[in-house]
Amino acid sequence: GQQLNQSPQSMFIQEGEDVSMNCTSSSIFNTWLWYKQDPGEGPVLLIALYKAGELTSNGRLTAQFGITRKDSFLNISASIPSDVGIYFCVYTGTASKLTFGTGTRLQVTL
Amino acid sequence: DAGVIQSPRHEVTEMGQEVTLRCKPISGHNSLFWYRQTMMRGLELLIYFNNNVPIDDSGMPEDRFSAKMPNASFSTLKIQPSEPRDSAVYFCASSFTAVRGTEAFFGQGTRLTVV
Repeated sequence: GQQLNQSPQSMFIQEGEDVSMNCTSSSIFNTWLWYKQDPGEGPVLLIALYKAGELTSNGRLTAQFGITRKDSFLNISASIPSDVGIYFCVYTGTASKLTFGTGTRLQVTL
Repeated sequence: DAGVIQSPRHEVTEMGQEVTLRCKPISGHNSLFWYRQTMMRGLELLIYFNNNVPIDDSGMPEDRFSAKMPNASFSTLKIQPSEPRDSAVYFCASSFTAVRGTEAFFGQGTRLTVV
């Protein structure tokens, strides 16, 4: 099946710092989604990307759909403690079937 | 809407016992997904239904796992007999399928421990 590799695997940052993470695939995708999973909860959609080169923002979050359509980036500016969690890039295939990446675990210290 | 509702939230069972996990999707959604999450393997899609019909069950680990969706408002995932390696968090998600893909809403999960 499709493989989505995320890096870094985990990050430890201080409150107020900016965060960057990325996701790569060996295949070309038409849609990229970024989900976040809070501790003890199910994943929640953060941002959806539908066009190569598209840059989309949602508050302090910014995501980009890579030109090659094989990668995507997620940036978080001025991190806060509630940003803690696991961030997943997700490929959506037929009938909205979601394939999750390996995840980036974010820890924010005060 | 209350969102996707899963029960139980936690389940501890002995090896060899039958386990049934339950899910109530969001009303009006026509796709339902069962995922399993472990530290080693991450989030894996087990099976998904569209309009109550199983579309892809290639992620179901083996014959001990089965899933049903008797109507649009209820689904079950059954493990019989359970084994310690089945210990994981099991998520149910639902969505309304659109042309360009759509957001899936997840339940809070069932944490299964098989001892």
